[in-house]
Amino acid sequence: SQELEQSPQSLIVQEGKNLTINCTSSKTLYGLYWYKQKYGEGLIFLMMLQKGGEEKSHEKITAKLDEKKQQSSLHITASQPSHAGIYLCGADGGANSKLTFGKGITLSVRP
Amino acid sequence: EPEVTQTPSHQVTQMGQEVILRCVPISNHLYFYWYRQILGQKVEFLVSFYNNEISEKSEIFDDQFSVERPDGSNFTLKIRSTKLEDSAMYFCASSETKKQYFGPGTRLTVT
Repeated sequence: SQELEQSPQSLIVQEGKNLTINCTSSKTLYGLYWYKQKYGEGLIFLMMLQKGGEEKSHEKITAKLDEKKQQSSLHITASQPSHAGIYLCGADGGANSKLTFGKGITLSVRP
Repeated sequence: EPEVTQTPSHQVTQMGQEVILRCVPISNHLYFYWYRQILGQKVEFLVSFYNNEISEKSEIFDDQFSVERPDGSNFTLKIRSTKLEDSAMYFCASSETKKQYFGPGTRLTVT
């Protein structure tokens, strides 16, 4: 079965700093999803990456997919307190299949 | 943007009781999912549903669990005889193609 490892486990940054978090898969990535979760709440969709080399941006968040490394990275530029939360990566095994999630990365942003 | 809704937001039940968790997927979506997240742990896949039947289920989804789409809008998860270890956040998701939209979750507490 597919396993997703996210690193680092947690991260504390000063407001305004850039940061990068990673998600590495044990198997070939067909579709990679990034979600954000506030503790005890629902999952908010951030981005979906489907092809090797694909890069997407939304506001100050950029995600890339490296097919060869079976890895995705998510980069936040000029972090703000509103970026704080748990970032989950999920991978699918094909269209309309289940998502397998990593454990998540807890991000704290100090004002 | 359309949303997946779930009710109730919080359910407290006694061990051995039956519970039904309700979800209203996005109206034109055809694929439905249930996931759960035990506090502090990964989001785990339970079951996927398409064309009025289960398309995939995990090892967690044993005989105590069932899903149903009783009408054109609702999608339910039933747990027949709850156990303490069923305490978790339960998320419903729906999709049209690949992107899965998650509901806000139902927090189930079994005492």
